[in-house]
Amino acid sequence: DAMVIQNPRYQVTQFGKPVTLSCSQTLNHNVMYWYQQKSSQAPKLLFHYYDKDFNNEADTPDNFQSRRPNTSFCFLDIRSPGLGDAAMYLCATSRDKRPEDTQYFGPGTRLTVL
Amino acid sequence: DAKTTQPPSMDCAEGRAANLPCNHSTISGNEYVYWYRQIHSQGPQYIIHGLKNNETNEMASLIITEDRKSSTLILPHATLRDTAVYYCIVRAQNDYKLSFGAGTTVTVRA
Repeated sequence: DAMVIQNPRYQVTQFGKPVTLSCSQTLNHNVMYWYQQKSSQAPKLLFHYYDKDFNNEADTPDNFQSRRPNTSFCFLDIRSPGLGDAAMYLCATSRDKRPEDTQYFGPGTRLTVL
Repeated sequence: DAKTTQPPSMDCAEGRAANLPCNHSTISGNEYVYWYRQIHSQGPQYIIHGLKNNETNEMASLIITEDRKSSTLILPHATLRDTAVYYCIVRAQNDYKLSFGAGTTVTVRA
């Protein structure tokens, strides 16, 4: 049974055309994360929500935004995608933010920018 | 600063145990050791984590040295489907994020 679901699995957009990636969870976890993983690199955290509180990483570009309308869903919005934004985008959830709270990842959405 | 050091790659024989080392010599007393793996083009998969004691679950065993400066992930009977990048991650008490390093690329060969 899928616990962290990401749609679509593959997304193609044009340079500068806004795109939204979605994530949903059936775990009822408080925290939802978005990681970016570029080719041959390790995942890197963009931001996370603790319940309704949004927390941005210091080096996340302004081009990236997120919305969490309810506990189950979280969206990643890229306002004006550039070629450098092509990557795998990974959603993860955890019950809380303590180090003993395991993060569970979805399958990822691979974004291609033409 | 990298908190963990892992070999870049290793090969394992199918059916044999795979022992994946990780050095974390600067680990503090309240920091956890986590292991994830990432099969090609998939999201990272949680394997196991521990604080001080050795841990075992249905996927693997985690052996942490007494001084906690290193650990070993053991896959008891490696299969071809275990081919993946394995990440060893140290999480501090106030660490809400997973800081992935380069990991170890494990190739299981028939």
